[in-house]
Amino acid sequence: NAGVTQTPKFQVLKTGQSMTLQCAQDMNHNSMYWYRQDPGMGLRLIYYSASEGTTDKGEVPNGYNVSRLNKREFSLRLESAAPSQTSVYFCASTSGTSNQPQHFGDGTRLSIL
Amino acid sequence: AQSVTQPDIHITVSEGASLELRCNYSYGATPYLFWYVQSPGQGLQLLLKYFSGDTLVQGIKGFEAEFKRSQSSFNLRKPSVHWSDAAEYFCAVGLYSGGGADGLTFGKGTHLIIQP
Repeated sequence: NAGVTQTPKFQVLKTGQSMTLQCAQDMNHNSMYWYRQDPGMGLRLIYYSASEGTTDKGEVPNGYNVSRLNKREFSLRLESAAPSQTSVYFCASTSGTSNQPQHFGDGTRLSIL
Repeated sequence: AQSVTQPDIHITVSEGASLELRCNYSYGATPYLFWYVQSPGQGLQLLLKYFSGDTLVQGIKGFEAEFKRSQSSFNLRKPSVHWSDAAEYFCAVGLYSGGGADGLTFGKGTHLIIQP
């Protein structure tokens, strides 16, 4: 009963390096999301994919790109990492066809030096 | 754009005492409302949700929340807290646009501390 799986769980990067965060869900959900969580800020939406083949910007998309590889997988890419992108990143999914809550992964803790 | 306010950054409650965490939202229509809990180093777990109907909703772990349209509030309550309830609590609002669920807007969270 995996739900939403994120890899890696921890990562340290140097400024300017690139990286892709992976997310996969096994619940046959249509919609997937990427959030970042910073102290005192709650979670903020970076990008989302309402259905396979579509992606849209959220509140804080700058510096990120996403790919909805297939129905199961939704990746987040940092092309040139900056210290301001140090955060905990959460992937979530929901059926999207009815008003169901989002299910969250355990997060990726990313530090950029 | 919708917004969510959780006025209390930290709340300290004695074990066995009652709890109320406040949440106010700003939105043009009735949004879909959620409470999530996050234990240290973990992801978010859904406590309860409100979509429509009965304004008092029951959730897991003995939590309940009441939707009050006139006050734009969705406060979380528990009659008697346990030490294991110590965590970060997030209120969130969502929009279902019909073409697929848009992302959630979260409050900044309330950190709950339980005193023995």
